[in-house]
Amino acid sequence: AQSVTQLGSHVSVSEGALVLLRCNYSSSVPPYLFWYVQYPNQGLQLLLKYTSAATLVKGINGFEAEFKKSETSFHLTKPSAHMSDAAEYFCAVRRNSGNTPLVFGKGTRLSVIA
Amino acid sequence: GAGVSQSPSNKVTEKGKDVELRCDPISGHTALYWYRQRLGQGLEFLIYFQGNSAPDKSGLPSDRFSAERTGESVSTLTIQRTQQEDSAVYLCASSQREMSQETQYFGPGTRLLVL
Repeated sequence: AQSVTQLGSHVSVSEGALVLLRCNYSSSVPPYLFWYVQYPNQGLQLLLKYTSAATLVKGINGFEAEFKKSETSFHLTKPSAHMSDAAEYFCAVRRNSGNTPLVFGKGTRLSVIA
Repeated sequence: GAGVSQSPSNKVTEKGKDVELRCDPISGHTALYWYRQRLGQGLEFLIYFQGNSAPDKSGLPSDRFSAERTGESVSTLTIQRTQQEDSAVYLCASSQREMSQETQYFGPGTRLLVL
């Protein structure tokens, strides 16, 4: 079975500071990994995904994530936070074969302080 | 339409009543998914459709929950005899195909409150 752990339910950073949102996964087979963002009163939007090509994945809005198999991690980073980055971020994992559901972490709320 | 739409956006109901939640996926998307998001929790998978068939119903929490899809398009999630613990945001997503690496596109959700 797959599972995702997001460390920190709430992260607060200053505008212009580095954003680091942590995600560790558990999977018995090579996984596909996703980061979604949810703005208030909106649905989830895909930021980026890892599908076994490059281990460093670049997404929208300046975000990127690196797949580290040895650490079973897929942390999300952005060099410089913007006020508009304030949202809820979800990491998700899925098996790379078969019809299995997308398994989400509990989410991390990012606050950006001016 | 341009994206996944859901209706109603908000629903308040009394305990014991039945509710129907609707999802209109992106045109041409063959796969459709339902999730539940309780306050402070991640998304919980409920059911998915490939075409009009539901190969995986493992996430439905009880037999009070059912879903159908018609015309490989609209889907309805029905909750019978609602309970207070059913209060949550119900999210629908669709993807072009049912493959693990496919991006799922989410609707804005239906916020259900059971009094």
